[in-house]
Amino acid sequence: GQQLNQSPQSMFIQEGEDVSMNCTSSSIFNTWLWYKQDPGEGPVLLIALYKAGELTSNGRLTAQFGITRKDSFLNISASIPSDVGIYFCAGQLTGTYKYIFGTGTRLKVLA
Amino acid sequence: GAVVSQHPSRVICKSGTSVKIECRSLDFQATTMFWYRQFPKKSLMLMATSNEGSKATYEQGVEKDKFLINHASLTLSTLTVTSAHPEDSSFYICSASPTQGGDEQYFGPGTRLTVT
Repeated sequence: GQQLNQSPQSMFIQEGEDVSMNCTSSSIFNTWLWYKQDPGEGPVLLIALYKAGELTSNGRLTAQFGITRKDSFLNISASIPSDVGIYFCAGQLTGTYKYIFGTGTRLKVLA
Repeated sequence: GAVVSQHPSRVICKSGTSVKIECRSLDFQATTMFWYRQFPKKSLMLMATSNEGSKATYEQGVEKDKFLINHASLTLSTLTVTSAHPEDSSFYICSASPTQGGDEQYFGPGTRLTVT
């Protein structure tokens, strides 16, 4: 199946550091969603983006919908241990209800 | 709001038997629900789109006779893995959207299926 290119694949950072991850594709998307998944659980929606260029924040998280509609990034500021998990982007294909998921970024925070 | 539940959370079954997984939107109605499969340390792969009152739309490579989907109401979709085999062991997750356009998808907690 289709997947988005998400990078980095994994990150090890110190507590308090900022984190940045992104998703890119050759396809154009209507909507971008960012999720966090803990082991053995379903993904939890963090941020939703609906318009090209849109910049949205949710606490320490900030995400942007790329101008070309083919990419998005997620930033986490001042990371804390509970930020540990796998982050996925998901893009909604034009003209469909379907979402394509990124390959995931595994984040580990060292206290 | 926007809570999705799944049942069971874990199931172990013998090869050749069938298993039913339920997905419920608890505080909203969902015209469309989605079923995903996730292998260890991998991303979510869309299996099918479940539409209330009509047949599900399956992704390429997903056997519709193997993975039966029924969307009986605006709050319930079921996935039945028929004649399960060990290779069907996986983490199955459903999602639902409270909006017609499916802009925001909310996921259930997932079901861990192990076929022995």
